[in-house]
Amino acid sequence: SQTIHQWPATLVQPVGSPLSLECTVEGTSNPNLYWYRQAAGRGLQLLFYSVGIGQISSEVPQNLSASRPQDRQFILSSKKLLLSDSGFYLCAWSVDRGRFYEQYFGPGTRLTVT
Amino acid sequence: AQSVTQPDIHITVSEGASLELRCNYSYGATPYLFWYVQSPGQGLQLLLKYFSGDTLVQGIKGFEAEFKRSQSSFNLRKPSVHWSDAAEYFCAVVLSASKIIFGSGTRLSIRP
Repeated sequence: SQTIHQWPATLVQPVGSPLSLECTVEGTSNPNLYWYRQAAGRGLQLLFYSVGIGQISSEVPQNLSASRPQDRQFILSSKKLLLSDSGFYLCAWSVDRGRFYEQYFGPGTRLTVT
Repeated sequence: AQSVTQPDIHITVSEGASLELRCNYSYGATPYLFWYVQSPGQGLQLLLKYFSGDTLVQGIKGFEAEFKRSQSSFNLRKPSVHWSDAAEYFCAVVLSASKIIFGSGTRLSIRP
């Protein structure tokens, strides 16, 4: 069966510090991978989307970036964090079944920028 | 423009009572619709999905949802809620591999 891991689970970082969040998927190959941010009391905002190694689409301009160095690894980064980057970051994966792109989510990373 | 609306931000029901969470969508073609549940501090878990066919779909944990094209709705129901159902529920419409629109969520509280 497929599993998705995210780490760290929680992170407290000062403003201006760098960020690296990691997501890995097991049990499937060539998945579509996604990074979402969920602000407190709000819905999900899609940040990045990847269909393959090195292929990243950005949905929202910001100081975050994403990379996919391996088929089942997706990394979210920042060179300098802002206060507004605080939130709950979720990684998700899906596989193509025609249009049936049901997404499966990881446990999330709670980021607090101080 | 495509959108998903969950008009109820917060709902409280008594344990054992029935539940209906509303979801309305705006999309020109036949939508692919999902309901997800999120427990506090956790990721989202897929409850059920509608692609085509029978408009009443069954999901996990005793939930069901009915697709009504005439009303552009996909409401989630459960005949009898349990305290463990307290969570946030998200309706979503899938447009493509890179485009899934989530509603803003409904927080469900259970009264003992």
